Amino acid sequence: DAGVIQSPRHEVTEMGQEVTLRCKPISGHNSLFWYRQTMMRGLELLIYFNNNVPIDDSGMPEDRFSAKMPNASFSTLKIQPSEPRDSAVYFCASSPSGDFNEQFFGPGTRLTVL
Amino acid sequence: AQSVAQPEDQVNVAEGNPLTVKCTYSVSGNPYLFWYVQYPNRGLQFLLKYITGDNLVKGSYGFEAEFNKSQTSFHLKKPSALVSDSALYFCAVRDGFNNKLIFGAGTRLAVHP
Repeated sequence: DAGVIQSPRHEVTEMGQEVTLRCKPISGHNSLFWYRQTMMRGLELLIYFNNNVPIDDSGMPEDRFSAKMPNASFSTLKIQPSEPRDSAVYFCASSPSGDFNEQFFGPGTRLTVL
Repeated sequence: AQSVAQPEDQVNVAEGNPLTVKCTYSVSGNPYLFWYVQYPNRGLQFLLKYITGDNLVKGSYGFEAEFNKSQTSFHLKKPSALVSDSALYFCAVRDGFNNKLIFGAGTRLAVHP
């Protein structure tokens, strides 16, 4: 299994630009999570999906952030417009159905907004 | 609300010595606890979990964790540390009736030769 795939691995953009991060979960997993990691705030859950439906988006910082999961094998996290304070590593994780299952993390996307 | 605390920002240990990374939790209801490890420039990797049963849980890479209900703790341990164990370790608790995890701030483990 290839594991959770994220692209791009690194993104450098200028303030005000739109940024789209992509994630392919492990096949057969029905829960998908987007996290943000910074030195200041640690690891924060932004949003998670169950069976392609957003269940909890309370961690999405503001309206500039949006996430979609059009099918079981693909999800995007979009920031529009981007700001320097959005600079962070963004992780996608997936887990199989059932209770108490561990999450499998992707390698992350390091975003730098200049 | 569910939460976990990792009281140490960093733990230093000599190679070959036992190591302990501390975690305490606060939950309403039964605790479901996890440990993850993050190596530099990598995503988090699952180490072990406690759901129910034996208080001593064994996981990957020789790690184990002891669940202590009276002390509300779930400390990560290893009998003999390796330099390659140097990484960032996260404790996490499941949030309620879903698979959402609440992570601690992380503890950096440095194993010195």
